[in-house]
Amino acid sequence: GAVVSQHPSWVICKSGTSVKIECRSLDFQATTMFWYRQFPKQSLMLMATSNEGSKATYEQGVEKDKFLINHASLTLSTLTVTSAHPEDSSFYICSVVPSGRDEQYFGPGTRLTVT
Amino acid sequence: SQQGEEDPQALSIQEGENATMNCSYKTSINNLQWYRQNSGRGLVHLILIRSNEREKHSGRLRVTLDTSKKSSSLLITASRAADTASYFCATVPPSGSRLTFGEGTQLTVNP
Repeated sequence: GAVVSQHPSWVICKSGTSVKIECRSLDFQATTMFWYRQFPKQSLMLMATSNEGSKATYEQGVEKDKFLINHASLTLSTLTVTSAHPEDSSFYICSVVPSGRDEQYFGPGTRLTVT
Repeated sequence: SQQGEEDPQALSIQEGENATMNCSYKTSINNLQWYRQNSGRGLVHLILIRSNEREKHSGRLRVTLDTSKKSSSLLITASRAADTASYFCATVPPSGSRLTFGEGTQLTVNP
């Protein structure tokens, strides 16, 4: 299967600061990546679809100005949580879909804690 | 919003027993996938079944799909303690590749 990395694996930041999370596809090029968030003991909620070279598509209820997504290359997408608040504390996971495949390959996730 | 529901929410069994998890969904699909998540980790793809398939096997995994009832089941045979994890079903619509996840089943296999 495909290898997807995320960095950092965990981060603690203060309220009001911004945090950038990277998602890298290590062994294939990905024109599309997905960003999810997951609260404890809950399922994954799709936040946005990241498209290489164009604007991300956000799900209903997700603030695009708060969760900035940049898919600048075929192997890297970044999610920046701007002006973070404690309620943004969550597990953020990215995934990629290799061309010609249907299954998604997930990164290991990033645990964000906002104090 | 979530596509559907999974039951049970939690399942605790002894090693060697079989575990069955069910998933229901609401809209038309292209395929349905099952994923596994160990605590605090990313998801691992287990098996994919297409809308024109009724049953699929992979090792100790058996998946069924009933599109008339909009439901799927995942059977893990001869369970092991290492199978302890959360299991999620996820559907893909007829067009596009976005996944919509079910609520998940927390499986605990006791040694």
